[in-house]
Amino acid sequence: GESVGLHLPTLSVQEGDNSIINCAYSNSASDYFIWYKQESGKGPQFIIDIRSNMDKRQGQRVTVLLNKTVKHLSLQIAATQPGDSAVYFCASGRGSNYKLTFGKGTLLTVNP
Amino acid sequence: DTEVTQTPKHLVMGMTNKKSLKCEQHMGHRAMYWYKQKAKKPPELMFVYSYEKLSINESVPSRFSPECPNSSLLNLHLHALQPEDSALYLCASSQAGLGGNEQFFGPGTRLTVL
Repeated sequence: GESVGLHLPTLSVQEGDNSIINCAYSNSASDYFIWYKQESGKGPQFIIDIRSNMDKRQGQRVTVLLNKTVKHLSLQIAATQPGDSAVYFCASGRGSNYKLTFGKGTLLTVNP
Repeated sequence: DTEVTQTPKHLVMGMTNKKSLKCEQHMGHRAMYWYKQKAKKPPELMFVYSYEKLSINESVPSRFSPECPNSSLLNLHLHALQPEDSALYLCASSQAGLGGNEQFFGPGTRLTVL
């Protein structure tokens, strides 16, 4: 059954600030990484992805950084807005294997 | 069309009922997925279909039975479920093969088993 009282890691920021959400992965063979945003009651929504031959990729207001040496991934959101409030999941994959391994998730709360 | 649709949005069923969840995509994706998600947890992979063939079954109990009638549709047949099976069931799709890692998720079906 569900674990009552189990809390997600949380990050609380002020509107307009930059947010950084971190993620560690364990499989050094992973070569594909993706960030999803999940709002309450909705399915995960793609934000940005990156392959292992890159260490940085930018989108609109978002940047993903990949450090393969320490197996660390981060998502930076510029000028965070209340609409960015959600749970953010990182996930990693390998080659043509369809399986994505998801991180635990981080709850981002943006205060107006 | 860049959407994955799922029906129904909500489902309440008894432990003796038989029901089905449906998923549809028209992006030409040849890989489709079922995930189960409990509150405050990440999605857990259940099944993967690639070119309409079951390619991954993550040791899911037989009371969950997937079906892929064609390249656009994915069903999950439910029978004799337990209350602990109550969760959000997510469908996703992606391109198949190398480079097909980005999975597009549907909104999910919120299942409650009484």
